[in-house]
Amino acid sequence: QKEVEQDPGPLSVPEGAIVSLNCTYSNSAFQYFMWYRQYSRKGPELLMYTYSSGNKEDGRFTAQVDKSSKYISLFIRDSQPSDSATYLCAMSAYTGGFKTIFGAGTRLFVKA
Amino acid sequence: DADVTQTPRNRITKTGKRIMLECSQTKGHDRMYWYRQDPGLGLRLIYYSFDVKDINKGEISDGYSVSRQAQAKFSLSLESAIPNQTALYFCATSTGTNTDTQYFGPGTRLTVL
Repeated sequence: QKEVEQDPGPLSVPEGAIVSLNCTYSNSAFQYFMWYRQYSRKGPELLMYTYSSGNKEDGRFTAQVDKSSKYISLFIRDSQPSDSATYLCAMSAYTGGFKTIFGAGTRLFVKA
Repeated sequence: DADVTQTPRNRITKTGKRIMLECSQTKGHDRMYWYRQDPGLGLRLIYYSFDVKDINKGEISDGYSVSRQAQAKFSLSLESAIPNQTALYFCATSTGTNTDTQYFGPGTRLTVL
């Protein structure tokens, strides 16, 4: 079993839709939860991070962490064609040094 | 100028050839990483270095080697390339503090024929 599971998609939605992207994990030591966005032919870039459980909002993006269920989500409101990208979840734990594990990434297409 | 640069950006080579991918950073970070990305498998860690004298294997280091020439430079070598090493390779850096946010280069697309 992988430490981090993420559905690779692809996920296709119309412009303006609410998008929900999710990851599950198995290691309860993870403390920081991140979402990276990767455009085609580019390296991943950090979009948001959350420490421990709870929600964090940044504009049209909301990140949620439920540590009891080992489940994290990224919501995108009023999705735009420019949101079309691959979204990777990532989680890190401090075990004598940070260890970061990435999910496989979900490919999102937002149609105009 | 980009903070993390990779050369070459694209490379086609033949089975058995030795290949070196290079990474340079101007972020001043101590930590550097090499990943490969394959469809459906995501990012997999090949090697990482927490400083110039500290090199560690990642989950898929077989067939690869690295050299940390300076704080700013970290190179990845394929001693004898094979077709299943065809992938997108990324270099990344991080501070190792707080969230350990990683900053990625633009990637190198390697094809082994």
